[in-house]
Amino acid sequence: NAGVTQTPKFQVLKTGQSMTLQCAQDMNHEYMSWYRQDPGMGLRLIHYSVGAGITDQGEVPNGYNVSRSTTEDFPLRLLSAAPSQTSVYFCASSSGEGAHQPQHFGDGTRLSIL
Amino acid sequence: RKEVEQDPGPFNVPEGATVAFNCTYSNSASQSFFWYRQDCRKEPKLLMSVYSSGNEDGRFTAQLNRASQYISLLIRDSKLSDSATYLCAVLSYGGSQGNLIFGKGTKLSVKP
Repeated sequence: NAGVTQTPKFQVLKTGQSMTLQCAQDMNHEYMSWYRQDPGMGLRLIHYSVGAGITDQGEVPNGYNVSRSTTEDFPLRLLSAAPSQTSVYFCASSSGEGAHQPQHFGDGTRLSIL
Repeated sequence: RKEVEQDPGPFNVPEGATVAFNCTYSNSASQSFFWYRQDCRKEPKLLMSVYSSGNEDGRFTAQLNRASQYISLLIRDSKLSDSATYLCAVLSYGGSQGNLIFGKGTKLSVKP
């Protein structure tokens, strides 16, 4: 099993560009989530999904969209990149319908917005 | 008050030392608690779940104090390889769905 796979690992964007961060898991996990991690701020929840077709907002959802058309994939879309979105993005998944099980993290996407 | 708070450290300790981290949480209805370890420029990895009765895994002991709303992590006989940032995580319920809220992490540096 590959676990949680994130692509790309690094990306540089210009302000106003859009892009999609990919996240895939092969553990048949129902719960998936996206976090961003900034120095001094810790991990903050952006969006999450409790199963295919169901998504909801976390703590810092503005500027991001998600969809969950399959159990395996949970892409994160930046609609119009802003310098404030420069961060390290982690995707995570867990078994069950909620976050009460230990989370398995991908190895992150380092995103810089110029 | 932040929902989950940790002392950011850094904690600088010699090899063999015992070190303890605390993490306080504000939502008394929180039900699940975890400690994660994060190495520099890596993803967080689960270190251990925290159970009501306390639990131990080798040199690591986790405890939960519901009355005072904190969890703790004790590391005995510190090794150089224990150097990392330790994140506590608390399952917090807002509306109908619970989500994992992380502390900002406590950095541990174990020196020879």
